[in-house]
Amino acid sequence: DIQMTQSPSSLSASVGDRVTITCRATQGIDIYLNWYQQKPGKAPKLLIYAASTLQSGVPSRFSGSGSGTEFTLTISGLQPEDFATYYCQQSDTAPYNFGRGTKLEIK
Amino acid sequence: QVQLVESGGGLVKPGGSLRLSCAASGFMFSDYYMSWIRQAPGKGPEWVSYITTNSAYTNYADSVKGRFTISRDNAKNSLYLQMNSLRVEDTAVYYCARRVGAANADYWGQGTLVTVSS
Repeated sequence: DIQMTQSPSSLSASVGDRVTITCRATQGIDIYLNWYQQKPGKAPKLLIYAASTLQSGVPSRFSGSGSGTEFTLTISGLQPEDFATYYCQQSDTAPYNFGRGTKLEIK
Repeated sequence: QVQLVESGGGLVKPGGSLRLSCAASGFMFSDYYMSWIRQAPGKGPEWVSYITTNSAYTNYADSVKGRFTISRDNAKNSLYLQMNSLRVEDTAVYYCARRVGAANADYWGQGTLVTVSS
């Protein structure tokens, strides 16, 4: 199975900051990498698929990059509504494992 | 708009069974693969299973293989998850999700809580 490792596990930042979250796969997954945002008590929301394609309706301050085994999610100009937990997921081969998450908190 | 509404969760004893349902609306259900994804308290999501449009193919996580069965009824716009031989570690919120592209889950339901405890 392909395992996904996210770093950091938590992150403190201020409104307006630029933050980057990293996700690594245990084997190459081309660009089959998705990013989700989850707020407490809610279902995850798809932000980015195929490593860098923004899901419809997602603000352009979110961006993704990478291929193979290393990927990043960048949020440029943090907004108050961005404080949440972020998960990566590989969609190359079943089981489609998720990372353990990065909790983004207000500094 | 796309809506997915799960039901059927609850408290069950270890070894028991439950059947989850997901009612879909706002899109052509029969055109999409569908998935079940669960999330244990305080943990990240875990992909459980998916089913193709005509039910010809299903796939399961090793943790549920042989105990859970995914199915769908396109005439009723409904997705199901039959869960047998439940274990304490199956305790989680279970989400149904529409699958697009390469296993992306673009729409999720609100989830239904399954608690397995004696």
